[in-house]
Amino acid sequence: GIQVEQSPPDLILQEGANSTLRCNFSDSVNNLQWFHQNPWGQLINLFYIPSGTKQNGRLSATTVATERYSLLYISSSQTTDSGVYFCAVLGGSQGNLIFGKGTKLSVKP
Amino acid sequence: SAVISQKPSRDICQRGTSLTIQCQVDSQVTMMFWYRQQPGQSLTLIATANQGSEATYESGFVIDKFPISRPNLTFSTLTVSNMSPEDSSIYLCSVVVWASGSGEQFFGPGTRLTVL
Repeated sequence: GIQVEQSPPDLILQEGANSTLRCNFSDSVNNLQWFHQNPWGQLINLFYIPSGTKQNGRLSATTVATERYSLLYISSSQTTDSGVYFCAVLGGSQGNLIFGKGTKLSVKP
Repeated sequence: SAVISQKPSRDICQRGTSLTIQCQVDSQVTMMFWYRQQPGQSLTLIATANQGSEATYESGFVIDKFPISRPNLTFSTLTVSNMSPEDSSIYLCSVVVWASGSGEQFFGPGTRLTVL
C-alpha cells in the first residue's frame, strides 16, 4: 500500500520563527490533506491540496504531485500553533486516508 | 464542511466492560469511517460504517471486538467490547464531504478512552 513519510518528527521553535514541514508519499494520489491536532486531540483541517499551492493566513501548503511530496509552511509561529501536524493521502482500499506519523511542533514563548 | 459530534468525549472504563461511542453529523453523508489513535501514534482505520449493511473492517479489526451500526446517513455507533488496557486510545469518526468533484474528509472531536 501507499506509504506516507513526514519530516521532521519533532520541531521546537521560538515564537515568531518560520518552519517548513515535509510529506513524501510513495504513489500518485488524488487527495492530500494537512491536519493540525491540537493538545485536546481534535483534528483540524488545514488544507485539501492534491496539487498546487494554497495559502490561509500564516499557513501555506504546496503539493508537487509529480514528485510525490507536499510542504506545509508556517510563518511567524505562535504558541497556539503547537501540536501535531499530520499529512494524509487518499490511498486506503476503502477510500480512507492513510496518515503519516506526524510532526510534533512545540512553539516556545 | 461538516459539523460532527461524538459522545462521550472521554471515559474511563474497567477492563472487561464495553463502551459505545456515538457519532452524529449535521448532514447526510455517504462515506463514514471510524479511526483509532493509540497514545503517541498516528491514526489507523478501524472500519467503514456502511448504511444498511455490515461494516467493512480493516485487517486486524474484527466485528466481535468493534461492532458498528449505521442506521441512517447522519449517525453511527462504534462499540469497543470486552475492553483491555490496550484499547486505551482516541477513537474518531470521519466523514467525506463532496464539493466541486472533490471529497474532503472531516473528523469528529474524538472520544478519549482509558481502560484500567
